[in-house]
Amino acid sequence: EDQVTQSPEALRLQEGESSSLNCSYTVSGLRGLFWYRQDPGKGPEFLFTLYSAGEEKEKERLKATLTKKESFLHITAPKPEDSATYLCAVQAGNNNDMRFGAGTRLTVKP
Amino acid sequence: EAGVAQSPRYKIIEKRQSVAFWCNPISGHATLYWYQQILGQGPKLLIQFQNNGVVDDSQLPKDRFSAERLKGVDSTLKIQPAKLEDSAVYLCASSLGTGGGQYFGPGTRLLVL
Repeated sequence: EDQVTQSPEALRLQEGESSSLNCSYTVSGLRGLFWYRQDPGKGPEFLFTLYSAGEEKEKERLKATLTKKESFLHITAPKPEDSATYLCAVQAGNNNDMRFGAGTRLTVKP
Repeated sequence: EAGVAQSPRYKIIEKRQSVAFWCNPISGHATLYWYQQILGQGPKLLIQFQNNGVVDDSQLPKDRFSAERLKGVDSTLKIQPAKLEDSAVYLCASSLGTGGGQYFGPGTRLLVL
């Protein structure tokens, strides 16, 4: 069965303290891996799609990378406004289902 | 460009009552999704439409949940009768096709008492 596991569950950083969030997956025939940001009381906001191992995408302080078994979301010099829950999701095989992980709740303190 | 619209934003009902949620996707998006998000978990797909046809409803509890997208644009999700465990946020999302990133609405927060 397809599985998506995110770690850590929660992460507290000081402003400017860089770190990485992990998304490990077990799927048959990855079609795409997606990162979303979700603020409290709002729907997820699409950030990146990665399609193949070795691919990287960047947006402001965020950089997403992909291997055959996991993806990392690197946050460089985070600011308090980066505080949110970051969700990872995969689409695999012939199934159109997008399977989400439980998310990492990031808090950045000034 | 207007985003995905959902209503109502909040709903409180008693168990065994019925409830309906409405979603209007981004203009031109052929694919529409309904998700259920329980507190502390990631969203779980309930049903996916491609235009007005159902692509995937394998995780929809069909004994109590139903959804339609009659004209291939907006959609409604209904729960009848509601159970306590249906308390969750119901998210609607849309995309141009069946792959690629999805764009989510703000969600409807349902509390079943």
